[in-house]
Amino acid sequence: AQSVSQHNHHVILSEAASLELGCNYSYGGTVNLFWYVQYPGQHLQLLLKYFSGDPLVKGIKGFEAEFIKSKFSFNLRKPSVQWSDTAEYFCAVKTWADSWGKLQFGAGTQVVVTP
Amino acid sequence: DSGVTQTPKHLITATGQRVTLRCSPRSGDLSVYWYQQSLDQGLQFLIQYYNGEERAKGNILERFSAQQFPDLHSELNLSSLELGDSALYFCASSVDLTGTNTGELFFGEGSRLTVL
Repeated sequence: AQSVSQHNHHVILSEAASLELGCNYSYGGTVNLFWYVQYPGQHLQLLLKYFSGDPLVKGIKGFEAEFIKSKFSFNLRKPSVQWSDTAEYFCAVKTWADSWGKLQFGAGTQVVVTP
Repeated sequence: DSGVTQTPKHLITATGQRVTLRCSPRSGDLSVYWYQQSLDQGLQFLIQYYNGEERAKGNILERFSAQQFPDLHSELNLSSLELGDSALYFCASSVDLTGTNTGELFFGEGSRLTVL
């Protein structure tokens, strides 16, 4: 069965520190990859997405992610976090075997940025 | 604002009861998805409808059912509620009328259900 794994459940870091969140998926075919963010009390919002082309994808708020096909990974990075980045981050995968289908989400990583 | 509207935002009810959650997708979107978010299970896909027809089913209990109406809004019905059904229920939509499917989902703000 397809799965999406996020390596860390909780991350605590200080403002200005760098952030990297790991995401691996298990599916051998063509995929679209997403990172969503959920700020406290809010709905999920798209941070960035990868469909094809340049494997380094830039999103909103200074986030970027790199798709490494050989490693089935799509890790999220931000060079310098702010207190406002405190949120839960979800990696999600859409497979093209399921053309109108759902996104499969990882378990999420709760990120807390301390002042 | 994602354009997806969910009501009610909060709902408190008792075990054994039945509730209906409503979702209006973004204008032009044909697909509606329901997800359940709980502390121990994360974000779980329940069911998807596309233009009124059920398209995909996930971890949806038999006590739960959904439908999508001709105006494309959707309702999720939860019956014989148990304590463990307490969760945040998200609706998402995608796919515009041209049939473009980028895979991106647009989420509503969720309906928080508390079963006492």
